[in-house]
Amino acid sequence: EPEVTQTPSHQVTQMGQEVILRCVPISNHLYFYWYRQILGQKVEFLVSFYNNEISEKSEIFDDQFSVERPDGSNFTLKIRSTKLEDSAMYFCASSQDITHYYNEQFFGPGTRLTVL
Amino acid sequence: DAKTTQPNSMESNEEEPVHLPCNHSTISGTDYIHWYRQLPSQGPEYVIHGLTSNVNNRMASLAIAEDRKSSTLILHRATLRDAAVYYCILKSSGSARQLTFGSGTQLTVLP
Repeated sequence: EPEVTQTPSHQVTQMGQEVILRCVPISNHLYFYWYRQILGQKVEFLVSFYNNEISEKSEIFDDQFSVERPDGSNFTLKIRSTKLEDSAMYFCASSQDITHYYNEQFFGPGTRLTVL
Repeated sequence: DAKTTQPNSMESNEEEPVHLPCNHSTISGTDYIHWYRQLPSQGPEYVIHGLTSNVNNRMASLAIAEDRKSSTLILHRATLRDAAVYYCILKSSGSARQLTFGSGTQLTVLP
């Protein structure tokens, strides 16, 4: 069964450093998403991406964040200058979206980002 | 998207049916009812969705009240692997595609 994969599974970084989180969505999916979950809190939407551009973004997704689909398979989330509060589990998701009504999203296993 | 209300936690015994309720009194006619779950240390996972009629799939059943103001996710025989946080999410056909997760219901399955 096709699945969303994410690398690395755990990333430790120093405050102020740049990090890139990588995702490989399911191959025939059209929409890609990033969500995050701070420990013990809700899953929060960050950004959605369609047709090589951002479709929607939340207030969390400020200028420190960017997304890119550098080739036909990878989807990346970059945090330019990490802060302590960026420590969270980051989930990538993708959906096929053949119709506007059916929005089953497939989530990856997540990348745990720890900012020291 | 309209708001949903779920109990914070529920317990069930293994191999017994589990009924997870969700209230959505402000649901609109175009809102689909989606259920996702999140197993420990994993990403959310789609379970089932419906609009008006009851739905069944290999994972669960979704029972939707006639007035659509509430719904119930039914796990027919809970296993230890079903211990997870279950999220009831409304999505309008005309709204943005991202999911808005609430706090969900933490289901504990007792052996």
